[in-house]
Amino acid sequence: QVQLVESGGGVAQPGRSLRISCTASGFIFSSYVFHWVRQAPGKGLEWVASISYDGNNNFYADSVKGRFTASRDKFKNALYLQMNNLRVEDTAVYYCARDALGWQSLVRSWFDSWGQGTLVTVSS
Amino acid sequence: QSVLTQPPSASGTPGQWVTISCSGSKSNIGSNPVNWYQQFPGTAPKLLIYSNDQRPSGVSDRFSASKSGTSASLAISGLQSEAEADYYCATWDDSLNGYVFGSGTKVTVL
Repeated sequence: QVQLVESGGGVAQPGRSLRISCTASGFIFSSYVFHWVRQAPGKGLEWVASISYDGNNNFYADSVKGRFTASRDKFKNALYLQMNNLRVEDTAVYYCARDALGWQSLVRSWFDSWGQGTLVTVSS
Repeated sequence: QSVLTQPPSASGTPGQWVTISCSGSKSNIGSNPVNWYQQFPGTAPKLLIYSNDQRPSGVSDRFSASKSGTSASLAISGLQSEAEADYYCATWDDSLNGYVFGSGTKVTVL
């Protein structure tokens, strides 16, 4: 069955970096586009990034543009989110999610599977 | 501040009908299909409705949704305690060039 498992969360100081991962299984990884979505404690969902098939044509939310970089490894069936220059407001549970329709249909698509999330805490 | 506006809460007694609104603009709901996600405390969101009004396999037909202009709504009929959760609308925003989520609505069964 489709499975997405995030890892790598933890505590980081403001201004520092952290990389989180999402490992996929149960489907053909290279055929799908993925997204990162985050949720601050007690708050709503916020889209962070969309990762293309090759990881070279990604979209980012303005709140993380220039600081976060999403990538993927087709050999490891893994997604990554490199988070640099972290801010306190980046504290959140980070979810990876699979896109249902693909890159050409991004505007019409939806997130059909989600991981369980990994908590990133930015604090001094 | 979320781009899509939802009421923070909605409630009803068992068996009642509850609706949740999602208000947007021409660049998001007015141009693209709306999806709805259900989230129980401490768990990941789950797809509830896609493409405005389509239910994925396994989702109860007590859940229905619609879209008109720059607004969308989710309806829960025959309210049961199992429906107590947070509900989020979502769509693509052409101006922001990214996905936007609603502010979320917590449904409580009285």
